[in-house]
Amino acid sequence: QKEVEQDPGPLSVPEGAIVSLNCTYSNSAFQYFMWYRQYSRKGPELLMYTYSSGNKEDGRFTAQVDKSSKYISLFIRDSQPSDSATYLCAMSGPGSARQLTFGSGTQLTVLP
Amino acid sequence: DAGVTQSPTHLIKTRGQQVTLRCSPKSGHDTVSWYQQALGQGPQFIFQYYEEEERQRGNFPDRFSGHQFPNYSSELNVNALLLGDSALYLCASSPPGGAGNTIYFGEGSWLTVV
Repeated sequence: QKEVEQDPGPLSVPEGAIVSLNCTYSNSAFQYFMWYRQYSRKGPELLMYTYSSGNKEDGRFTAQVDKSSKYISLFIRDSQPSDSATYLCAMSGPGSARQLTFGSGTQLTVLP
Repeated sequence: DAGVTQSPTHLIKTRGQQVTLRCSPKSGHDTVSWYQQALGQGPQFIFQYYEEEERQRGNFPDRFSGHQFPNYSSELNVNALLLGDSALYLCASSPPGGAGNTIYFGEGSWLTVV
């Protein structure tokens, strides 16, 4: 079993839809949770960063972390065709804050 | 301010050969990590360098080795290449004491082993 599980999709939605992306994890030591966006054949770009449980909002993006359920989510409101990319969840634990464990990524397509 | 830069962008090698990939961290960053991303998968941590020493290592064989230079740039070396080593190799850098929100990735080096 992988430490981080992520539904690979692909996920296809119409423009303007609300998108929900999710990851589950098994390592209770994880404390730092991140979402990256990766366009085709490019490096990952950090979208959201959350420490421990709670919600964080940045524009159209909201990240949620539920440590009791070992479950994290990313919501994208008013999705745009430019949001079409692969979304990767990543996490790390104390003492290894810069060693990231990634999910396998969810490929999202927003149709105009 | 240049971000994380990697070279070469693409390369093709033959099974059994050796390859060296290079990374220059973002200005002000002193820690460099390397990741392997197979097609359709998330990046997997190979190792991390700090103060010219390997500080952490993921589950990769000794064929994978690295180096960090005094200017914080880094190299990833892979010996005895296997077909399964074909992947995007990503370099990530972070500043002194940086948390997860300060990790920046380069565009990667695409390695194809034939």
